Amino acid sequence: QITLKESGPAVVKPTQTLTLTCTFSGFSLSSNGVAVTWIRQPPGKALEWLALIFWDDDKRYIPSLKNRLTITKDTSKNQVVLTMTNLDPADTATYFCAHTSLFTTKWAFDFWGQGTLVTVSS
Amino acid sequence: QSALTQPASVSGSPGQSITISCTGTSGDIGSYNYVSWYQRRPDKAPKLIIYDVAKRPSGISSRFSGSKSGNTASLTISGLQAEDEADYYCCSYTGIRPDVVFGGGTTLTVL
Repeated sequence: QITLKESGPAVVKPTQTLTLTCTFSGFSLSSNGVAVTWIRQPPGKALEWLALIFWDDDKRYIPSLKNRLTITKDTSKNQVVLTMTNLDPADTATYFCAHTSLFTTKWAFDFWGQGTLVTVSS
Repeated sequence: QSALTQPASVSGSPGQSITISCTGTSGDIGSYNYVSWYQRRPDKAPKLIIYDVAKRPSGISSRFSGSKSGNTASLTISGLQAEDEADYYCCSYTGIRPDVVFGGGTTLTVL
């Protein structure tokens, strides 16, 4: 059974750095084809794909935020960490992590965490 | 502005069928069969209901079906039920940066 759970601060001040952790179980991020992604949804707005990391450490980012995002994995801890620098109130959103596999759902995200709401406010 | 275009809202009566369109470009939907659809109920995580244009994950009702023609993908929900009321998002792989794009979402109201 695959589960994912996001954790991180609920409130961050503008210009600060946000660190979100996705802790998962039921799969290994060292298995061929497996990836974990981060997706966010600002209040009242659409889903927005942010970043993805593959089992082989290949990393992909949304170009508009590439300079502010870093995605890393710790396979031994079953964790993926997303760091976002220079936070702005426009970054207020619910942040989700999700699983995919190039050999099954292929760029579709079949298991999601519950999401964590991050508010950027002074 | 989202990369994929969906109608903001659709509605239907119980038992009816509705279709939600998702229009992209020749660089995303038009080039790849990696279109997926997600159901988002309030305060719930998005749920994958269609992947690879028309495949259903295990446990998803056959009332949900997907298709694609050219640069436009579609989600059809038949035999509408009250529990189908939710926001629906389409998604496509693009092969370039960004690798993945979502639609703006469609709110389904069951009358």
